[in-house]
Amino acid sequence: GQNIDQPTEMTATEGAIVQINCTYQTSGFNGLFWYQQHAGEAPTFLSYNVLDGLEEKGRFSSFLSRSKGYSYLLLKELQMKDSASYLCAAFRNQGGKLIFGQGTELSVKP
Amino acid sequence: GAGVSQSPRYKVTKRGQDVTLRCDPISSHATLYWYQQALGQGPEFLTYFNYEAQPDKSGLPSDRFSAERPEGSISTLTIQRTEQRDSAMYRCASSTRPPTGDGNQPQHFGDGTRLSIL
Repeated sequence: GQNIDQPTEMTATEGAIVQINCTYQTSGFNGLFWYQQHAGEAPTFLSYNVLDGLEEKGRFSSFLSRSKGYSYLLLKELQMKDSASYLCAAFRNQGGKLIFGQGTELSVKP
Repeated sequence: GAGVSQSPRYKVTKRGQDVTLRCDPISSHATLYWYQQALGQGPEFLTYFNYEAQPDKSGLPSDRFSAERPEGSISTLTIQRTEQRDSAMYRCASSTRPPTGDGNQPQHFGDGTRLSIL
């Protein structure tokens, strides 16, 4: 089966650190993407992990554990503009399909 | 073009009518995807193309849905005999090359077409 789970919503304070978790069960799994989607806009690519470990990109980092079917997105030094939905998506090798989670709505408050 | 372009941006139609949505991917992108996105949900895969070939259309909800990419660039998604449950945002995305063992080909999304069926 294919299942992606992430929290529906989170709230954090400007300047703080927040971790958004994602668990997945996907046959033919071959990588995990994180996308950011502001309200009314298109999703935009943030990160990709295929091997276990941490990938860092500025204020954003993403972690993957294939054995645990688990990933997280870490956002540091939160800014108000980081308020958005964060989508976890598992890539299936067969058919090149991306299976998206429902998204985590992050609200950053002053 | 510079980004993925979709038209129309909004489409309102009566139940039972046919609609066609258009996607113009980033030029030189080989692969094009169609997704359906309900409010507050992540995109759900419908189908994809490698150039003009359509290897996977398993996500199309019914035989009322069809997609084409005859020349390997612009694509259309057609919904025949629309129903109210077809109301959603339809998003197109493109990536540089067909998916292989390495999934590291970010998909670039268009702004979508908001379809409302009355």
